Amino acid sequence: AQKVTQAQTEISVVEKEDVTLDCVYETRDTTYYLFWYKQPPSGELVFLIRRNSFDEQNEISGRYSWNFQKSTSSFNFTITASQVVDSAVYFCALSDDIGSYNNNDMRFGAGTRLTVKP
Amino acid sequence: NAGVMQNPRHLVRRRGQEARLRCSPMKGHSHVYWYRQLPEEGLKFMVYLQKENIIDESGMPKERFSAEFPKEGPSILRIQQVVRGDSAAYFCASSPPRAGGTKNIQYFGAGTRLSVL
Repeated sequence: AQKVTQAQTEISVVEKEDVTLDCVYETRDTTYYLFWYKQPPSGELVFLIRRNSFDEQNEISGRYSWNFQKSTSSFNFTITASQVVDSAVYFCALSDDIGSYNNNDMRFGAGTRLTVKP
Repeated sequence: NAGVMQNPRHLVRRRGQEARLRCSPMKGHSHVYWYRQLPEEGLKFMVYLQKENIIDESGMPKERFSAEFPKEGPSILRIQQVVRGDSAAYFCASSPPRAGGTKNIQYFGAGTRLSVL
C-alpha cells in the first residue's frame, strides 16, 4: 500500500531563515513519482516539482531545493532564505506507474503549514 | 492559457439540497480528477474521468455522489441530499493525454468550498 507521511503539521520561521519540510513515503513499487504542491492562503494548489524514482539527483530551483533519498524513502523540500510569500501549506504526494494504466493512485500527505514571519 | 477553472468558488447548501460543482480542464487536457479536502487534512482522491468515461471511481462514496465529463462542457461533480459531513473543499485537476504509460502532472484548480448548513 502507498502512504505519504508529513510528520510536521506546522512550522513557523522568521524571514530569511532556511526551512526543511519532511516527506517520507511507503510503496512496494520500484517505479513511482513524487510530487510537491504548494497551497497558499488563496486556496489553489500550485505544482512545484515531480521526480521519478530512478532519478535521485537533487534539484534546485531558485530558493527551492529537493533532496530525494531512496535509502530512507524521503523526499524533503528546503526553502532557503524564506520569505513571507512562502507562507502556505505544502503537500507531498506519491504516485506509482505500475499496474493498470487507468488507475489513479496519487496519495497526498496531510500537509505542512509553513508560516514565515517578517 | 487559462488554468483549470472551477466554479463556484464557494457554495452554500442546506441539508438535503443538491450541490453541483463544475470544472473546466486546461486547454488540451482530456483527463480530469476530483479530490476532496477535509479541514486540516490532505487531499483524498475521489474519481478520475476522461471524456464521456469514468475510469476510476474507487474514491467516490457509493451513495449520493456522481461525476460526469461530457463530450462538450465541463466536468460536473454532483452531490445529492447533502449532509453536514460533505462540507469540504473539492478540487479538480486535469492532465494531458498520457504518453507511454507515464503519469502526467496534474494541474489543480482553485477549488470549490462547499458549506452545508
